[in-house]
Amino acid sequence: DAGITQSPRYKITETGRQVTLMCHQTWSHSYMFWYRQDLGHGLRLIYYSAAADITDKGEVPDGYVVSRSKTENFPLTLESATRSQTSVYFCASSESAPSEGETQYFGPGTRLLVL
Amino acid sequence: GNSVTQMEGPVTLSEEAFLTINCTYTATGYPSLFWYVQYPGEGLQLLLKATKADDKGSNKGFEATYRKETTSFHLEKGSVQVSDSAVYFCALSDYGAGSYQLTFGKGTKLSVIP
Repeated sequence: DAGITQSPRYKITETGRQVTLMCHQTWSHSYMFWYRQDLGHGLRLIYYSAAADITDKGEVPDGYVVSRSKTENFPLTLESATRSQTSVYFCASSESAPSEGETQYFGPGTRLLVL
Repeated sequence: GNSVTQMEGPVTLSEEAFLTINCTYTATGYPSLFWYVQYPGEGLQLLLKATKADDKGSNKGFEATYRKETTSFHLEKGSVQVSDSAVYFCALSDYGAGSYQLTFGKGTKLSVIP
């Protein structure tokens, strides 16, 4: 089915482990984004990508790594998970640059618990 | 920098009541303004948007008007339904300031009781 999907939907891991969250979109949107959602903070941008092989930091990038070898995929890796990275992670995409009110489309989220 | 402030929740209303969720913003450039809605267990989806001053966004009976003079984008609905129970996020994008991100408010949880 067309759209934006995330996997896994739920993940429990331990401090220090590497974790990769997957994001896949079928629209061929140029822009993709990773946000984290925490109580009392709303959503905060971790990284974004303007096209394949082009990525840039958002508001809270520390402890995260991204790559974009294909337009449709935008994985987010926690290289050494910490408890402060327990959160709900949302991937989003948009057809073009966020000017003139470009809509971002969100995936269903991945709920990550770091023990 | 950019910021969005929206009213604290949770908000509990009876069905058919009038809804207002306040949202004010600060921005360095020329922002576009959005309301996103998150239903339980789901991702965010766009509810409505406005791209310039005095524009009114509307969808599913919800409305919000971009007020530059008061830097506000308050969400209103004349008669809420149980199915409107969700978390509502006000957000802005400010590409003119060189930022590619949406800046979100903290969200307002709405519960509508029959």
